[in-house]
Amino acid sequence: AQKITQTQPGMFVQEKEAVTLDCTYDTSDQSYGLFWYKQPSSGEMIFLIYQGSYDEQNATEGRYSLNFQKARKSANLVISASQLGDSAMYFCAMREGTDKLIFGTGTRLQVFP
Amino acid sequence: DGGITQSPKYLFRKEGQNVTLSCEQNLNHDAMYWYRQDPGQGLRLIYYSQIVNDFQKGDIAEGYSVSREKKESFPLTVTSAQKNPTAFYLCASGPFVGQTYSNQPQHFGDGTRLSIL
Repeated sequence: AQKITQTQPGMFVQEKEAVTLDCTYDTSDQSYGLFWYKQPSSGEMIFLIYQGSYDEQNATEGRYSLNFQKARKSANLVISASQLGDSAMYFCAMREGTDKLIFGTGTRLQVFP
Repeated sequence: DGGITQSPKYLFRKEGQNVTLSCEQNLNHDAMYWYRQDPGQGLRLIYYSQIVNDFQKGDIAEGYSVSREKKESFPLTVTSAQKNPTAFYLCASGPFVGQTYSNQPQHFGDGTRLSIL
């Protein structure tokens, strides 16, 4: 069965510093997609970045980048130049089958001045 | 603006009562999903629908029911059979691409917090 593991329940980072949120996954499929979502305290889920299993380059979206190591089955999210507004829960997810997403348990990031 | 609307934002259920959570989308997405989130946990799939008049059970469907009579709407009913309904419920939608290698994300509503009275 496919599985997503986020081993960091909580992380702290100082404003303007970079932070890496870990995500490892387990799948026997060759074709898959990995997503990162941000959930502020208000509750909505905000899509941040996507990485496909066949993508040769690491995905980047503004201050977000994905450190994709296929052989190690890891897809870590890197946030550069952290801002106070980055404080939130962050979820890694993998597309299962053709449609469904399975989620990790999340990492709570707190950015301090 | 296109998006997903969930209502109500807060909902209280009495013992033995069924309650219905609304989810409407105007993104013209074929697929819609319901997730449950417990405190400090990730999202777990309750039900999903890839096309009108069809839906499938997710990982935790017991005690819930859904309907998909219109493309835009996917209401979730929490029945009295669901003994621990207190949670945060999120509705999502996305294009149904039919392949695992798709960069199309699911888009989420703002959620409904359900509590027991």
